[in-house]
Parts: sequence; structure tokens; C-alpha cells
Amino acid sequence: GAGVSQTPSNKVTEKGKYVELRCDPISGHTALYWYRQSLGQGPEFLIYFQGTGAADDSGLPNDRFFAVRPEGSVSTLKIQRTERGDSAVYLCASSPITGEGKNEQFFGPGTRLTVL
Amino acid sequence: GQNIDQPTEMTATEGAIVQINCTYQTSGFNGLFWYQQHAGEAPTFLSYNVLDGLEEKGRFSSFLSRSKGYSYLLLKELQMKDSASYLCARLAAFYFGSGTKLNVKP
Repeated sequence: GAGVSQTPSNKVTEKGKYVELRCDPISGHTALYWYRQSLGQGPEFLIYFQGTGAADDSGLPNDRFFAVRPEGSVSTLKIQRTERGDSAVYLCASSPITGEGKNEQFFGPGTRLTVL
Repeated sequence: GQNIDQPTEMTATEGAIVQINCTYQTSGFNGLFWYQQHAGEAPTFLSYNVLDGLEEKGRFSSFLSRSKGYSYLLLKELQMKDSASYLCARLAAFYFGSGTKLNVKP
């Protein structure tokens, strides 16, 4: 079956612009996660959705970052007034929630964001 | 993030065994994952430990000691394709270590 998909694969924008990054999770996965990863670093947690609601948004660095998942499937990460420091690979992952608590995450290929 | 520590880089020889250690902050712990990430690709799941002890899965094994806040990933019979970064991640939100870059040499 189809895995997690993310669009666009690459996004180049100018400082101060607004960008939207899209994630299509695996069908039926209730949990969805956004991370960003800089070169040589592990993924940095941003936000976690359980269904339509943000269960944990403690990783969002500031109020320029916002994410939605209005129908509990596709999610959009929105970044306002982009800064050069926002340049990174933005990873999306989804997982089914099982009773055992093991939430293996399946990652998408990522969106490489470059802010000039 | 969240005080997850693992070595930055390791080198091992094809056919050998290597152990990659991870220490983490124990508060709010709900489980520990290991992921493999090849350069330019997304992480892929390797293992999950929530109870103490060793979980074996083919050439890969993962160990957990909750009281010590310690885990390791053991890779046996190393192959060239095992050259990748290995990420340790803990539950209670999902905090990843910075990863250990493993170089497998012939």
C-alpha cells in the first residue's frame, strides 16, 4: 500500500514569505507527527496530532509555525514570515495507535525547505 | 532534545559486531525506539523496547535498562549496506537523539 507522502519535495522561498507543506499519512493512521531535521542532527519534534486535534504542540518553535489536520487525515504545516533559520528537511510521520502503546512511526520522504 | 545522548560517529569492519549506546532522561519514559536513516532518506523503524531486556530481530538486537536510562543497539555480521545513521528516540512525545553515523569498512 501507499506510504506517507509529502509535497512538495523541495521548496525554495525568500525570507519573509509564507509556505505550506503538505503531508498525506497512511490511510487509517490516527496519529500524525511533524518533525524538522537539520544536517547532522536527529529529527526535532514539532507537533503531534491524534485525529483532528493537536495532542502535543510543544515543539513548535514560535507562533510563526502552525499546523492543521481538519479531517483527521491530510495535514498542512504552515510557516509565516520565513527566516533563513527555518531551512531544514521537514519530515512527516504517521502511526496507528495500538493498545500496546507501540507507536511505530512511518516516515514520509520529507520536504526540503530552503529560505534564501 | 530531552537529554538523549549517543555517540556521534563509529567505524566498524564488515562482518564484525558493533554496539551503539544511547542514554536518556528517565522522567516520563514510555518506550524507546531505534531508527535507521540512510543519507538523504527518511528514518525507518528498527526496534521498540518498553520493558527491560534484550529484543532480538535477525541481525539487529536492542537492549533496554529503564532504571539506568540506557539502551543499546547491537548489529551483528555487519554489511556495507548497514552504513547509515542510527537514531535513538524516546516516547513521551518523540524526542530523537542526534544519531550515530556508522561507517562500515571492508
